[in-house]
Amino acid sequence: ETGVTQTPRHLVMGMTNKKSLKCEQHLGHNAMYWYKQSAKKPLELMFVYSLEERVENNSVPSRFSPECPNSSHLFLHLHTLQPEDSALYLCASSQKGDYGYTFGSGTRLTVV
Amino acid sequence: GQQVMQIPQYQHVQEGEDFTTYCNSSTTLSNIQWYKQRPGGHPVFLIQLVKSGEVKKQKRLTFQFGEAKKNSSLHITATQTTDVGTYFCAEGAQKLVFGQGTRLTINP
Repeated sequence: ETGVTQTPRHLVMGMTNKKSLKCEQHLGHNAMYWYKQSAKKPLELMFVYSLEERVENNSVPSRFSPECPNSSHLFLHLHTLQPEDSALYLCASSQKGDYGYTFGSGTRLTVV
Repeated sequence: GQQVMQIPQYQHVQEGEDFTTYCNSSTTLSNIQWYKQRPGGHPVFLIQLVKSGEVKKQKRLTFQFGEAKKNSSLHITATQTTDVGTYFCAEGAQKLVFGQGTRLTINP
């Protein structure tokens, strides 16, 4: 248990489905992040939330929609995904001004 | 944006041999962080280096930050099977950018 909990651990969805990934951190951190990790690319930063405000959207397609209702929770809403979106989606948190991210165990997403 | 290039991409060693991975940038880095990801796992923070020429040790792991703050290295002495995984360098604070990683495999 890392202090950052992601659910579900595995998800298979069709291209017309809508699903959501959930991340919860129990560390009192004030910044949260979504990263995408696929086999052919390094860890790609998708979104950054600092103090519940989105401060970074790294040119992510609109079929990915983040939501941060409070400093402990982060969601990634998915709709009409493509097979190339299949990857490990990692949530992380940190304390702004401090260093070292704490990652969750990730959601392994397969789009069929 | 800031990019960090990491080499080698893969490294296979015999147990007991040393291992080194390098992280390079064309521009000055504000800091460098190192992470380890075990097979099937998630990245785990190892250390951060901030000062020019800084050297830090964690048991058999030695981390260095170059004098010009454009490169860094992670050296493992006498590898053990528990060292297997992918080692990533990363730069930044609120926007952490990762290198491609070096995957270490070990022959017991």
